[in-house]
Amino acid sequence: AQSVTQLGSHVSVSEGALVLLRCNYSSSVPPYLFWYVQYPNQGLQLLLKYTTGATLVKGINGFEAEFKKSETSFHLTKPSAHMSDAAEYFCAVAGTGNQFYFGTGTSLTVIP
Amino acid sequence: GAVVSQHPSWVICKSGTSVKIECRSLDFQATTMFWYRQFPKQSLMLMATSNEGSKATYEQGVEKDKFLINHASLTLSTLTVTSAHPEDSSFYICSAGIHRGSQPQHFGDGTRLSIL
Repeated sequence: AQSVTQLGSHVSVSEGALVLLRCNYSSSVPPYLFWYVQYPNQGLQLLLKYTTGATLVKGINGFEAEFKKSETSFHLTKPSAHMSDAAEYFCAVAGTGNQFYFGTGTSLTVIP
Repeated sequence: GAVVSQHPSWVICKSGTSVKIECRSLDFQATTMFWYRQFPKQSLMLMATSNEGSKATYEQGVEKDKFLINHASLTLSTLTVTSAHPEDSSFYICSAGIHRGSQPQHFGDGTRLSIL
């Protein structure tokens, strides 16, 4: 079975500060992990994904995530927050049938 | 551009009516599509897996008679909310892909359903 836990339903950072959104997973098969961003009343936009290979994954808008098998983690980071980063972020793990299991989401607020 | 098209994007209708939502894969054939539901300020929950040419597989707790899924072709899946009531109001999102993890699942832009 697959599941994802996102620690922290709300995260606030100052503009220009480091963004760190936490995600831990559980998977009975080698995990395929994803981070999505959702703006109000919109669908999901893929930020980045990990399937195999390099454990440090770079995505769009300056985001990156590192797959750490020993910690069963896939935390999302960005060195410097921008006002436009304010949104809801979802971590997800793909099931064996390609269905997705999402975390509960983290709402990111960027303080000017 | 979008590779999964979802229509309509917003529906408002009276209680008791049935509402059909379409999910189309634009650039590829999808033997499997997925339907998710998202309540306000909450995460996406998988409702069902839509299988082309066969019956959909529903997650536990999802009423199959309430949420009818039809996947009649390799590019189209439909979700029909039958006899909708206010508690069915939600954001419904579909997704489609080809291989597990080989490329990201493509999500539609979602349908916001409001039942009066």
